[in-house]
Amino acid sequence: EAGVAQSPRYKIIEKRQSVAFWCNPISGHATLYWYQQILGQGPKLLIQFQNNGVVDDSQLPKDRFSAERLKGVDSTLKIQPAKLEDSAVYLCASSLGDGYNEQFFGPGTRLTVL
Amino acid sequence: DQQVKQNSPSLSVQEGRISILNCDYTNSMFDYFLWYKKYPAEGPTFLISISSIKDKNEDGRFTVFLNKSAKHLSLHIVPSQPGDSAVYFCAASTGANSKLTFGKGITLSVRP
Repeated sequence: EAGVAQSPRYKIIEKRQSVAFWCNPISGHATLYWYQQILGQGPKLLIQFQNNGVVDDSQLPKDRFSAERLKGVDSTLKIQPAKLEDSAVYLCASSLGDGYNEQFFGPGTRLTVL
Repeated sequence: DQQVKQNSPSLSVQEGRISILNCDYTNSMFDYFLWYKKYPAEGPTFLISISSIKDKNEDGRFTVFLNKSAKHLSLHIVPSQPGDSAVYFCAASTGANSKLTFGKGITLSVRP
């Protein structure tokens, strides 16, 4: 079974530029999550989708971050404009979404904002 | 406000001995707890979980203990192997299909 795919793996941009990350979850997983992991911290949820609907985006900085999951499968996360403090690893995870299931994580995208 | 706390940043143990990783939480609404292992440049990998209705769950060399009254859980690895060297994250959720709240992680080093 293929795991969660993410691209790109690494991205370096200058502040005020925009960037987009892509995630393809495990086939059949209804729930998709985007987490932000700052160095030395645990992952923090940015947004959770159930199929193509948003379940929780309470910690998403909506003035600069946006995410979509149009067909209920893959998803993109965008930052525009980026700030220095956005430097982090962005992790995508998916789960079956029908109960107490573990979340499966992708390898992450390491973003450096200069 | 850290709802899941892993107060020790690192742990070093000898190969073959027991590793005990601790985690404390403050939110009494948490009812599902998980441990993830993370190698450098990889995403976290699920290790073991426990529901709040249990106090112990075992899977091979890994056992998780939950003490609800103390709001404390621990992961025991016996025997420890060099391949277990990684960062271990404790995570918790409230209800089915809800987000995970993670601790800061603990770096385990297993010496040959």
